[in-house]
Amino acid sequence: EDQVTQSPEALRLQEGESSSLNCSYTVSGLRGLFWYRQDPGKGPEFLFTLYSAGEEKEKERLKATLTKKESFLHITAPKPEDSATYLCAVQNRDDKIIFGKGTRLHILP
Amino acid sequence: DAGVIQSPRHEVTEMGQEVTLRCKPISGHNSLFWYRQTMMRGLELLIYFNNNVPIDDSGMPEDRFSAKMPNASFSTLKIQPSEPRDSAVYFCASSLYRGRVGETQYFGPGTRLLVL
Repeated sequence: EDQVTQSPEALRLQEGESSSLNCSYTVSGLRGLFWYRQDPGKGPEFLFTLYSAGEEKEKERLKATLTKKESFLHITAPKPEDSATYLCAVQNRDDKIIFGKGTRLHILP
Repeated sequence: DAGVIQSPRHEVTEMGQEVTLRCKPISGHNSLFWYRQTMMRGLELLIYFNNNVPIDDSGMPEDRFSAKMPNASFSTLKIQPSEPRDSAVYFCASSLYRGRVGETQYFGPGTRLLVL
C-alpha cells in the first residue's frame, strides 16, 4: 500500500535556526512528489514538485530534495512568517495522490 | 482569477440533518477534487471529477456522501444524514487535468463542518 510518512509531527525553531523536514514514502511508481504549505484556516498552497531522485528545487528560504525513498524540505534561516504546516504528497503510477499528515512548524521570534 | 471558491466557510448542524457543501473551481481547470481533513487522518481524497464526470469515488466513506458536478464551474458534496464523526474541514481543489504528471492542485479555503 502506498504510504507517506512525515517527521517530525511538530517542530519549534528559533528565528534563524536552520533545519529540515522529512517525508518518507512507499509508492508504486512515483510520478511526482509535492510539497504544500498550509496556514491555519486556509487550504494547502503549492510549493514544489519533484520528479526524480537527485532533483532539487528552491524558493526563497526553502529547498526541496528527493531520493528514492524520501524527500527533505530544508529551511534556511527561517523567519516567523515561515510558521505553517508543511504537507508532502506523492502521485503514484495510477495518478492517485496520497498526502502525509504534515509537519507543524513554529518559528519563534 | 479568484481561485477556488467554497461555501459556506463554516457550517454547524445537528445530527441527522442534510449538509450541502459547494465549490466553484478555477476557470479552465478540468479536474475537481473533494478532500476531507482531520487531525487523526490528515488530508483524504473523497472523490474527483474529470470534465464533470466522477472518476474515482473510492474515498467516499459511505452512501451518506454524494457528490455532483452539473457543469464545469460548480460542484456539490452532500452528506445525508450527517453524523458527528463527519465533523472535519472539507476542501475542494482543482487542477488543469487529472493524471498529468506533476499536476498542481489549487485548494479552496475549506468548509469547517461541525455536526452536533
